[in-house]
Amino acid sequence: DTGVSQDPRHKITKRGQNVTFRCDPISEHNRLYWYRQTLGQGPEFLTYFQNEAQLEKSRLLSNRFSAERPKGSFSTLEIQRTEQGDSAMYLCASSLTSTTLPYEQYFGPGTRLTVT
Amino acid sequence: DAKTTQPPSMDCAEGRAANLPCNHSTISGNEYVYWYRQIHSQGPQYIIHGLKNNETNEMASLIITEDRKSSTLILPHATLRDTAVYYCIVRIRGGTDKLIFGTGTRLQVFP
Repeated sequence: DTGVSQDPRHKITKRGQNVTFRCDPISEHNRLYWYRQTLGQGPEFLTYFQNEAQLEKSRLLSNRFSAERPKGSFSTLEIQRTEQGDSAMYLCASSLTSTTLPYEQYFGPGTRLTVT
Repeated sequence: DAKTTQPPSMDCAEGRAANLPCNHSTISGNEYVYWYRQIHSQGPQYIIHGLKNNETNEMASLIITEDRKSSTLILPHATLRDTAVYYCIVRIRGGTDKLIFGTGTRLQVFP
């Protein structure tokens, strides 16, 4: 399968613990995005990378959240000191860049986080 | 990015065409109309996009009005597997290309 993969698919953690999620994009895609989705809402943009550079972060991304894409391939999203409000589906997407056309983004299956 | 307005829910009989409307009255000249859908417990899936002209692919057709203030996504022969939330998104050319999702239209296809 050559689509976007995410690991783990489900994570249950206790409040105050740190968690880390991984995303592997489609291999030739140089852009990688993270979104968060809560129940009944559409996904919300968190941050994106072009190659290894993190170019934009949403105000939703508090200082407890950090994302990396060290070699321009896979990415990790870490949440420190988790809170119950962090419970959500975390979605990763990848795409190619273009100066003339916004390319479609391909999404992974998501990581569902439950903070107890 | 321009804001979009979609009905919260729609029903469609299996085998019939599903016509999903989207209003984007503040769209500007360099903004594209994109459609994604999200089947329960999966990530969103790209369907189709367009700028001015009508577009068709193996999944759907996109009809954009001449003034570009609204569009309609058409699934010509809906199946039960098309039951999903459908998002209409307006995106500017270039920039971050981030997607700004609304709450979409929940399409229920019934037998």
